[in-house]
Amino acid sequence: GAVVSQHPSRVICKSGTSVKIECRSLDFQATTMFWYRQFPKQSLMLMATSNEGSKATYEQGVEKDKFLINHASLTLSTLTVTSAHPEDSSFYICSARATGTEYGEAFFGQGTRLTVV
Amino acid sequence: QKEVEQNSGPLSVPEGAIASLNCTYSDRGSQSFFWYRQYSGKSPELIMFIYSNGDKEDGRFTAQLNKASQYVSLLIRDSQPSDSATYLCAVLGRGTYKYIFGTGTRLKVLA
Repeated sequence: GAVVSQHPSRVICKSGTSVKIECRSLDFQATTMFWYRQFPKQSLMLMATSNEGSKATYEQGVEKDKFLINHASLTLSTLTVTSAHPEDSSFYICSARATGTEYGEAFFGQGTRLTVV
Repeated sequence: QKEVEQNSGPLSVPEGAIASLNCTYSDRGSQSFFWYRQYSGKSPELIMFIYSNGDKEDGRFTAQLNKASQYVSLLIRDSQPSDSATYLCAVLGRGTYKYIFGTGTRLKVLA
């Protein structure tokens, strides 16, 4: 299957600082990448969708200025959590959909567990 | 009505039994259907996808789709304790890029 690499897997940061999370498709080109967050024992919550070379589309209720998404190439998207606060602590997961995928399969990165102290 | 519904479980089955996981969806225009497995603390892993009515088999896994009933299921034969996880159903609508996920069903396979 296709490989999506997400880095870092875990990060602890101080309140008020910013954290960047990278999502790379290693063996395919990803037209579209998705960013989710997941709280314990809850399902995935889509935060935003990014297409290469264009601005991300954010879901209702997600602050664009707080969660900055950049999809600069067909293999890399980044999520920056700015001015992080303890309530931003969560499991952040990216997924990528390959260019030309016939049935729309999307593959997930390993996830990043963010703890804000 | 939720767009994609799953019973949260837990669904407990003995080792070696068939586990049956179900999912219903509301959008009749949905085109592709996916099953993901998520172990605790890990990200989801794609198990199978299906797009036409009927059954699709891959090893111990069989996905079943009934578009008329707006129902998709996943059967796991010869269930193993290592199959214990949360199974997420996801739906991709026609002409859309967004995946709609169910809340997942927690499966416990008892040794």
